Amino acid sequence: DIQMTQSPSSLSASVGDTVTITCRASQTIISYLNWYQQKPGKAPKLLIYAASSLQSGVPSRFSGSGSGTDFTLTISSLQPEDFATYYCQQSHSMPFTFGPGTKLDIK
Amino acid sequence: QVQLVQSGAEVKKPGSSVKVSCKASGGTFGSYSISWMRQAPGQGLEWIGRFIPFLDITNYAQKFRGRLTITADKSTGTAYMELRSLRSEDTAVFYCATEGDDGVVWDSWGQGTLVTVSS
Repeated sequence: DIQMTQSPSSLSASVGDTVTITCRASQTIISYLNWYQQKPGKAPKLLIYAASSLQSGVPSRFSGSGSGTDFTLTISSLQPEDFATYYCQQSHSMPFTFGPGTKLDIK
Repeated sequence: QVQLVQSGAEVKKPGSSVKVSCKASGGTFGSYSISWMRQAPGQGLEWIGRFIPFLDITNYAQKFRGRLTITADKSTGTAYMELRSLRSEDTAVFYCATEGDDGVVWDSWGQGTLVTVSS
């Protein structure tokens, strides 16, 4: 199975800040990497797919990059609604695995 | 975009089974794959399996093989997830989600179904 790791596991930031979350795969996944946002008690929401493609309707302050084994999610100019938990997920091969999550909260 | 509505919360005894439904509206049922994920309380997300209707193929995560069955009723646009031999560690919120046009990318999710396993 492909193991996904994320760093940091938690992050405190202020409205207006720019933050970066890193995701690493245990083997190459080319660009088969997606990012989801989850708020408490809610289903995850797709933000970025194929490492860098912005899902329709997602604000452009979200961006993704990377390929191979190392990927990043950047959120520019944080808004109050961005405080949530973020998960990366590889779609390269089964079982499709998620990172452990990064909890972003307000400083 | 597809909308998914799941069945309600369940409380089950250890050793029993649970069957969760996921009804789809919008889109053409059968033209997209449906995956199931679970999330234990306070924990991360775990993919457990999927059904590919247009190929009539089901894939399961290894750890659930033998205990998990995913099916779909195309006539009603409903997918089902049945987990057997429940144990306390199976207590979780179960989600269904559909894959978009860009591979295994889950762009529509159900609201989640809490399954509690307790004696």
